[in-house]
Amino acid sequence: AQKITQTQPGMFVQEKEAVTLDCTYDTSDQSYGLFWYKQPSSGEMIFLIYQGSYDEQNATEGRYSLNFQKARKSANLVISASQLGDSAMYFCAMRGFAGGTSYGKLTFGQGTILTVHP
Amino acid sequence: NAGVTQTPKFQVLKTGQSMTLQCAQDMNHNSMYWYRQDPGMGLRLIYYSASEGTTDKGEVPNGYNVSRLNKREFSLRLESAAPSQTSVYFCASTLDASGFYEQYFGPGTRLTVT
Repeated sequence: AQKITQTQPGMFVQEKEAVTLDCTYDTSDQSYGLFWYKQPSSGEMIFLIYQGSYDEQNATEGRYSLNFQKARKSANLVISASQLGDSAMYFCAMRGFAGGTSYGKLTFGQGTILTVHP
Repeated sequence: NAGVTQTPKFQVLKTGQSMTLQCAQDMNHNSMYWYRQDPGMGLRLIYYSASEGTTDKGEVPNGYNVSRLNKREFSLRLESAAPSQTSVYFCASTLDASGFYEQYFGPGTRLTVT
């Protein structure tokens, strides 16, 4: 079984500052992928960034980077230079790959609400 | 290229009524998924279809059925709606369940059961 834990129900950040959203995971799969999604108040799910368990470098996508610490089983999202439009719910998710039996299923954390102050 | 589309966007049902949520994708994806999102919780998988012609249960399948009508379409049916099924329902698709591909989500259906 897989589990994602996001321990920060809400986070606040000043515009233009960096913020880290925490995510820890638990899985027995040797190979797995970690995803972050953004959900603004309009409700849609927007893919942000992906990290594979065998990737040696941390993933980056523009202002988003994923601080992947495999030994600690953490996959924190770092948003640099926060913007007002970053205010949203953020979900960490993972999928395992146990011989193909996971069928692409994602397991989500509870989410963190980020509020960016001007 | 519309991506993943869902209908309806909003629905109110009375307890015991039935309805079908429709989902379609135009990205030629093999795998499709239905999730529900409840307040304070992340998305939970209801059913999935790893490929055309196959469907399987996810984490919370009770009270639901699905049909993979063809490669493009994956519908979710509530046979006898209950207030506990009040939720936001998301359909998603991915290129192939065997790889680590991004899942693309539809806009969601907000369902209220009274």
